[in-house]
Amino acid sequence: ETGVTQSPTHLIKTRGQQVTLRCSSQSGHNTVSWYQQALGQGPQFIFQYYREEENGRGNFPPRFSGLQFPNYSSELNVNALELDDSALYLCASGTSGSSPYEQYFGPGTRLTVT
Amino acid sequence: GNSVTQMEGPVTLSEEAFLTINCTYTATGYPSLFWYVQYPGEGLQLLLKATKADDKGSNKGFEATYRKETTSFHLEKGSVQVSDSAVYFCALTRDTGRRALTFGSGTRLQVQP
Repeated sequence: ETGVTQSPTHLIKTRGQQVTLRCSSQSGHNTVSWYQQALGQGPQFIFQYYREEENGRGNFPPRFSGLQFPNYSSELNVNALELDDSALYLCASGTSGSSPYEQYFGPGTRLTVT
Repeated sequence: GNSVTQMEGPVTLSEEAFLTINCTYTATGYPSLFWYVQYPGEGLQLLLKATKADDKGSNKGFEATYRKETTSFHLEKGSVQVSDSAVYFCALTRDTGRRALTFGSGTRLQVQP
């Protein structure tokens, strides 16, 4: 079985631009969550998708949005980039209904906003 | 709301030393507790988990016991290796609702030969 993959590995953008990050979930998983990890901090929950709909959001503004596709791949879109958006963005997949609800993480995309 | 507090690092140990990384949590109800490890330049890997009071999670020589009376989930290993050098994150999730993970700030472990 394949693990969670993310692309690209690294990305540099300018303040005000828009960015799209991509994630491919682990085989058999039907939920995907996105987390933001600032340097030296623990990951912060952005949102979760299940059956192609948002299923919970953390304390992030609407310029952070996402999509989940029928094949359980996912995108994170960030509009109007700010310097503080520079971070490692992690995607995690899991199976709804499992107990405990375990999440498996991809290697992340390092976003730098200049 | 939910929160996780970890001891600050870095923790520097010699090879074969005993490791303890403290973790306490605040949550309503009965959360599931996890330890994740992050090696340099990589994502998070699930190290171990526990779902109810007095459960002991274990993996690769690491152990942690779910202590509801002290709201703690301390990570221990009897003999660390250089290859254990990484950042360790304690985390919790509720088993209902959106079940987002709440993480601590992480503890960096450096093991010297």
